[in-house]
Amino acid sequence: EAGVAQSPRYKIIEKRQSVAFWCNPISGHATLYWYQQILGQGPKLLIQFQNNGVVDDSQLPKDRFSAERLKGVDSTLKIQPAKLEDSAVYLCASSSYDRATNEKLFFGSGTQLSVL
Amino acid sequence: AQKVTQAQTEISVVEKEDVTLDCVYETRDTTYYLFWYKQPPSGELVFLIRRNSFDEQNEISGRYSWNFQKSTSSFNFTITASQVVDSAVYFCALFKRTGANNLFFGTGTRLTVIP
Repeated sequence: EAGVAQSPRYKIIEKRQSVAFWCNPISGHATLYWYQQILGQGPKLLIQFQNNGVVDDSQLPKDRFSAERLKGVDSTLKIQPAKLEDSAVYLCASSSYDRATNEKLFFGSGTQLSVL
Repeated sequence: AQKVTQAQTEISVVEKEDVTLDCVYETRDTTYYLFWYKQPPSGELVFLIRRNSFDEQNEISGRYSWNFQKSTSSFNFTITASQVVDSAVYFCALFKRTGANNLFFGTGTRLTVIP
């Protein structure tokens, strides 16, 4: 079974520039998550999709972050404009939908973003 | 509110020693799930175990074992006879069942196994 694919693996940009990350979840997984992991901290949920609809985006800084999941498969996360504090690893995860027993998430390797 | 505390920031052990990683959680939910994830240098989070709040039975899987104690809100993880490949950051996480799905992660414990 193929895992969650993310690209790029690394990205270095200057503040105020824009950046986009891509995620391809495991085939058939209806739920897709974007997490932000700042160095020394645990991952924090940014947004959760169920198919192509948003379930939870309460922690997404909507003035600069946006995410979409067209056709309920791939997803992109965009930051525009980036700030220094956005430097982090951005993790994508997917799971098969089951609100009662969401047993585990499958995580990608993440995109490490450095904002200079 | 949900909270997961991993008080040990970094631990170093010599290969073949046993090591226990502590996890303490807070939640008002009566139904919840607890997880342990391993994050090797590659960055990907690897699922290790899931335990629901109604099942306090301890579990052993090879060199790994987990001790869930609801009375102290703890879910500790022990590695027996540690190996260099165990070196990673380990995260404890709490999944709240009510509302939108979400995992609350602790800040992680970096384990270094010295050969």
